[in-house]
Amino acid sequence: GAGVSQSPSNKVTEKGKDVELRCDPISGHTALYWYRQRLGQGLEFLIYFQGNSAPDKSGLPSDRFSAERTGESVSTLTIQRTQQEDSAVYLCASSLGGGFGEAFFGQGTRLTVV
Amino acid sequence: AQSVTQLDSQVPVFEEAPVELRCNYSSSVSVYLFWYVQYPNQGLQLLLKYLSGSTLVKGINGFEAEFNKSQTSFHLRKPSVHISDTAEYFCAVLASGGSYIPTFGRGTSLIVHP
Repeated sequence: GAGVSQSPSNKVTEKGKDVELRCDPISGHTALYWYRQRLGQGLEFLIYFQGNSAPDKSGLPSDRFSAERTGESVSTLTIQRTQQEDSAVYLCASSLGGGFGEAFFGQGTRLTVV
Repeated sequence: AQSVTQLDSQVPVFEEAPVELRCNYSSSVSVYLFWYVQYPNQGLQLLLKYLSGSTLVKGINGFEAEFNKSQTSFHLRKPSVHISDTAEYFCAVLASGGSYIPTFGRGTSLIVHP
């Protein structure tokens, strides 16, 4: 597609439920990033995929968070047993990879845990 | 490790006034630097980037930034702002030849008053 696409755009879930967020990167972009943006705060790195290499999961805040990506295609971020502190905008970005280009961002998924 | 400090959380200005949004970074290696803008309820959009060469870079919407290696700064400027420039601005650093994960500052909210 023309840009990074994320779905759903908004998600309200009950505490304790699992949620799955989807990111469709720009075609040909080998790198994909997930960030979390809490209200009034900056971007918090979660996980990074580069081609078929093992992902960098160093930013995941707990074992309730996981993400998958098959090859250079769609990625899903899963949050299990959601907590209220998980409420945030989850942003996905993709880039050409190799650290030479800027990241292109999707519009984000606003997650509200009630 | 790399880090980014945006010294001002909020910058109010009047329309047609000049503005400078400050960004300082810390890194043990050479860096690439970026400024992104986030309009309300939207994802991040690249304003400009410094990869190498001229230290003065020009971006979209009349913005420019200057890379100052000795002061480890990358301040964003615009000589005359418009109401439509009201948004959140994020500075980001990417270590060249190292981790390919951009680190973002906490953001500066630019508020342009009529």
